[in-house]
Order: sequence, then C-alpha cells, then structure tokens
Amino acid sequence: KNEVEQSPQNLTAQEGEFITINCSYSVGISALHWLQQHPGGGIVSLFMLSSGKKKHGRLIATINIQEKHSSLHITASHPRDSAVYICAVRFGGSEKLVFGKGTKLTVNP
Amino acid sequence: DAGVTQSPTHLIKTRGQQVTLRCSPKSGHDTVSWYQQALGQGPQFIFQYYEEEERQRGNFPDRFSGHQFPNYSSELNVNALLLGDSALYLCASRTRGGLQYFGPGTRLTVT
Repeated sequence: KNEVEQSPQNLTAQEGEFITINCSYSVGISALHWLQQHPGGGIVSLFMLSSGKKKHGRLIATINIQEKHSSLHITASHPRDSAVYICAVRFGGSEKLVFGKGTKLTVNP
Repeated sequence: DAGVTQSPTHLIKTRGQQVTLRCSPKSGHDTVSWYQQALGQGPQFIFQYYEEEERQRGNFPDRFSGHQFPNYSSELNVNALLLGDSALYLCASRTRGGLQYFGPGTRLTVT
C-alpha cells in the first residue's frame, strides 16, 4: 500500500530554534514534495525532490532514497513560519500525489 | 504571472444541486490536477487532466467529472451534491515532471 507518514503531528518552537519535520514513505517514488499550508487553505510548494538535498533561504529539504525518508529543516525559525507543513509523494508510475497528514508548526516569539 | 487561479473562492450549495468549479493553470503549465481537502484532513486526489484528457483518477464516484480546455484551463463538476462534499477544492498545475503549483482553492459548503 502506498503510504506517507509524517512526524511530529504538532510542533511548538521558540523563535530562532532549528526545526526538523520528518516524512517516511512505503515504496519507491518518482518525486517527493514539501508543501506549506497557511490557515485559510492556500498551499505553497516549497520543494520537489527525487534525490539529495535542496536549499531555499532558511529552508532545507533532504531525501534518502534507500531509507525512504525525507526531512524538512527550518533554520532560525520565525513566527511567520507557523503553518502546516505537508509531505506529498508521487509513487512510481502514478500521476497523483499522496499526502501525509501534515505537521502543524507553531513558532512563538 | 498570476500563478494558478480558481473561481469562485467560496460557494454555498444545497444537497442535490450541481456545482462547477474553475481553474486556470500557471502560464506554461499543461497538466491540471484536482484535489479535495476535507476539514482537518490532507488533500485527496480526484483526477488529473493532460491534453484535454483525464489521465488518472482517484477514488471518487462518477458524480465528480471534469474537463480541460484547449487553453489548459479546467473545470470540476460535482452532481447530486451530498453534505460530505463540503470541502476545500484545490487545483494544481505543472509541466510534465515539474514542480506542482497550487491555487488558493474553492471552499464549497453543502447545506
């Protein structure tokens, strides 16, 4: 079964802390996406990965294909980073994205 | 570039009615996918359109249908609305193999 698991479900941090959100999946993938969703619904695509590591500003995403695991890191977290972060995977041969349940991040000032 | 746009932003319908939601993809994108996100849940894949054809479909009944136009814009139609169809409907577009960009969504409430 094609499954995506995220942890933690909820995360509260103080401004400036280093954040890590984890994503594991069950079988081989063609691509993994990290998405950000703010209250009100809009989803922003942060990264698409099939191997290695990507960095954009304070955000870093890594993927280990052998271990079927990806992490999203946020350095020097800020209250504006507060959102739900979602891992979504395209399994090999499929066009659809399968979404994790999301990690609700709250960064306090 | 306006990115992915959706209309309307909010919609209230009554059980049994029909609804049409619209999506304009990001410039240069030819592939459009639709997702349903119930409150507190992750998005669920409805279907994807490419070259005006439905390429893949998720586990949704035939009441959910769609269309893609030659300009790559797309519509999602839902017939015989049920209370359980109340959700945020998200449209996403991409080029083949590219990063997926999401629209702001249409929030549908069925009463």
